[in-house]
Amino acid sequence: AQSVTQLGSHVSVSEGALVLLRCNYSSSVPPYLFWYVQYPNQGLQLLLKYTSAATLVKGINGFEAEFKKSETSFHLTKPSAHMSDAAEYFCAVKPQGGSEKLVFGKGTKLTVNP
Amino acid sequence: GAVVSQHPSRVICKSGTSVKIECRSLDFQATTMFWYRQFPKKSLMLMATSNEGSKATYEQGVEKDKFLINHASLTLSTLTVTSAHPEDSSFYICSASFGETQYFGPGTRLLVL
Repeated sequence: AQSVTQLGSHVSVSEGALVLLRCNYSSSVPPYLFWYVQYPNQGLQLLLKYTSAATLVKGINGFEAEFKKSETSFHLTKPSAHMSDAAEYFCAVKPQGGSEKLVFGKGTKLTVNP
Repeated sequence: GAVVSQHPSRVICKSGTSVKIECRSLDFQATTMFWYRQFPKKSLMLMATSNEGSKATYEQGVEKDKFLINHASLTLSTLTVTSAHPEDSSFYICSASFGETQYFGPGTRLLVL
């Protein structure tokens, strides 16, 4: 079965610093990969997705992620954190051609310090 | 594009009553919709997969007679929490599939007194 591991349930950065949120998946076949952001008391908003096109994916709000098959990773980065980036971030995978269900990681709470 | 709405955003009800939550895809048709439950500071728990015109598929441990799901059209799915009890209090989120991507609604906060 597919699984997703997000290393670090909490990440704290200073405003203007690099944001790096880690996501590793387990799958013998590269799946579709997604990053979602959730602000308090809101639903999930799609940040970006990998669907077997370019391995470096650019998303909204200045975020990007790189699919690395050899490392089974899809880490999320942003060069310079803003206070408004403080939120919960979820990595999710969906097998290509298989179940429509998403498998979520446990989430990483990002705190941005002034 | 790919906007999903939920109504209501918040609901408070008395124990024993039923509550209906609507999930709509506003600018696309969704053959498949999903219902999730999220506990405080936790990830999402899939409750059921809803396909238009057919019965929902429930995840293990989810009571189908308690959480009634109807997907009557390609843009609307409803979740009815029947005979709600305080332990049903939670944040319920729906999503709708468009291609390979799920788009999520803003969530419904249910409080059962």
